[in-house]
Amino acid sequence: DIQMTQSPSSLSASVGDRVTITCRASHDISHSLAWFQQKPGRAPKSLIFAASTLHSGVPSKFSGGGSGTDFTLTISSLQPEDFATYYCQQYNSYPLTFGGGTKVEIK
Amino acid sequence: VQLVESGGGQVRPGGSLRLSCAASGFAFTNHNMNWVRQAPGKGLEWVSSINIMGNYIYYADSVKGRFTISRDNAKDSLYLQMNSLRAEDTAVYYCVRLRGYYDALTDSQKYYFDYWGQGTLVTVSS
Repeated sequence: DIQMTQSPSSLSASVGDRVTITCRASHDISHSLAWFQQKPGRAPKSLIFAASTLHSGVPSKFSGGGSGTDFTLTISSLQPEDFATYYCQQYNSYPLTFGGGTKVEIK
Repeated sequence: VQLVESGGGQVRPGGSLRLSCAASGFAFTNHNMNWVRQAPGKGLEWVSSINIMGNYIYYADSVKGRFTISRDNAKDSLYLQMNSLRAEDTAVYYCVRLRGYYDALTDSQKYYFDYWGQGTLVTVSS
């Protein structure tokens, strides 16, 4: 199975900050990596697929990068609505696996 | 796109439950589908996938042999039959659509989770 490791597990940031979350896969997954945002009590929402392609309707302040085993999600200027938990997920092979999540909190 | 889960509730260990997901707003027969769950206060865990025709099915090891995924394309519905339920199956269960795209780098079709239902809570407790 491919293990997905996210870091940090949580971070505190201020409105306007640039934030980067990293995700590491235990094996090469090429670009088969997605990112999701989840707010408390709500279902996850798709942000990015294919490591760097924005899902429909997602604002350009979100960007993704990386390939192989190392990936990043960057929020260019944090806004109040961006405080949430973010998950990466590989879909290169079954079983599909998620990272443990990164909780972005208000400083 | 709308995915509406139902069928959750409280059940005793060893019991059974059948979840349903009603799809609307898109051509259900064009999409592979999945179930993903989230235990209270925990992260996301993929449970099962089914392709359009229902002839390619995958399960997480944690549910293999106990859960059965199925779909009825005539009713635009996805199902999850859960048997021999355990306390560790307690979670919100999400119905999730897969969207396909062509990956030029690997010259292959890839699929990612694009839309999620609101979830249905399953509680396994005596």
